[in-house]
Amino acid sequence: AQTVTQSQPEMSVQEAETVTLSCTYDTSESDYYLFWYKQPPSRQMILVIRQEAYKQQNATENRFSVNFQKAAKSFSLKISDSQLGDAAMYFCAYRSETSDRGSTLGRLYFGRGTQLTVWP
Amino acid sequence: DVKVTQSSRYLVKRTGEKVFLECVQDMDHENMFWYRQDPGLGLRLIYFSYDVKMKEKGDIPEGYSVSREKKERFSLILESASTNQTSMYLCASSLSEGLSSYEQYFGPGTRLTVT
Repeated sequence: AQTVTQSQPEMSVQEAETVTLSCTYDTSESDYYLFWYKQPPSRQMILVIRQEAYKQQNATENRFSVNFQKAAKSFSLKISDSQLGDAAMYFCAYRSETSDRGSTLGRLYFGRGTQLTVWP
Repeated sequence: DVKVTQSSRYLVKRTGEKVFLECVQDMDHENMFWYRQDPGLGLRLIYFSYDVKMKEKGDIPEGYSVSREKKERFSLILESASTNQTSMYLCASSLSEGLSSYEQYFGPGTRLTVT
């Protein structure tokens, strides 16, 4: 099974500053997808950004961007101009194109999460 | 918007009780998932289903079973609850084809305490 590692259990950032959350993964596949999900306190998990492994260009969604290094199996999330509402648990996730049994369900493998605190 | 709902936000049960956690999605998604979330462990997949009456074990299926009699509903069953099943349970759903299948939509979670 694929493994996803988030080496920073906690991070903090000053409002309006930039912060980068790290994620590495282990896979033998060449085609896959990577995600960052955000889980605000007591609220539902939502998708922040998605990256297709076959695309060399890094994905960007407003203040959120990724640094995808396929050879290094690294997928970091950069949050620019941090806002108080960015405070949340962030999960990195890997989506395989096939399950272990060969079905094409595309299950997600999650890291353990990074708790981001934003200081005013 | 896709909506995934879970029957309870908080639940307290006693050891040995049979517990049902219900999840409903309103977007005709084929795939549905049950995860448990524990501090420092992230999300771990318990079971998933890719069609009505179909199910596959995830990474930690022991002590759990599931039921999917209708496409929109996916139930997680704890046959005999134990204290080590105290956790946050998250349900998710997704399409099975196309670009939209890449995103899983999550419910609000059920925090289960077994005493």
